[in-house]
Amino acid sequence: GQNIDQPTEMTATEGAIVQINCTYQTSGFNGLFWYQQHAGEAPTFLSYNVLDGLEEKGRFSSFLSRSKGYSYLLLKELQMKDSASYLCAVVKAAGNKLTFGGGTRVLVKP
Amino acid sequence: DVKVTQSSRYLVKRTGEKVFLECVQDMDHENMFWYRQDPGLGLRLIYFSYDVKMKEKGDIPEGYSVSREKKERFSLILESASTNQTSMYLCASTPGQGYEQYFGPGTRLTVT
Repeated sequence: GQNIDQPTEMTATEGAIVQINCTYQTSGFNGLFWYQQHAGEAPTFLSYNVLDGLEEKGRFSSFLSRSKGYSYLLLKELQMKDSASYLCAVVKAAGNKLTFGGGTRVLVKP
Repeated sequence: DVKVTQSSRYLVKRTGEKVFLECVQDMDHENMFWYRQDPGLGLRLIYFSYDVKMKEKGDIPEGYSVSREKKERFSLILESASTNQTSMYLCASTPGQGYEQYFGPGTRLTVT
């Protein structure tokens, strides 16, 4: 089976930094995705990590440690439009199936 | 841009009705998926398909079936809708392993 855990909700101030953690226990692993989902909209792709380390993409960065079963998404210079849910999803060793965590709702306050 | 469309944004059906949710993608993707999304539970995989006429059960297939007669279209069928199938249904497609999944806008289904 697969357990994927992330915090339910986080609040941060505009301009600040927020780190969303994701821990997983899987029977196989072939990568980890982060998606952003605004209320009432479809999830959109943010990042994909398959090797250990940090991937930076503008204000967003994602980190993976396979040995620890741990990833985080780092959002820098927060903007009001970053208020959304952030979904962590793990790919099993075979195939394209994603298993999602429950999502983390981030609220950015002025 | 990849486009994944779903037949309805909102749908209201009665208990016991047969319900069809349609999904179409325009990028010739091999793989298509159906999820449902419920508060606190995240996205859960119902069924997926790696090729035409091919289907595999996901994590919660009970009460659902699927059809993939053409590469671009993947249909989710609720044989006899029940109130516990009230949910947001999301379709997704991807060209292959290691690629992101592209999601449709979702269908919010209410079963009364």
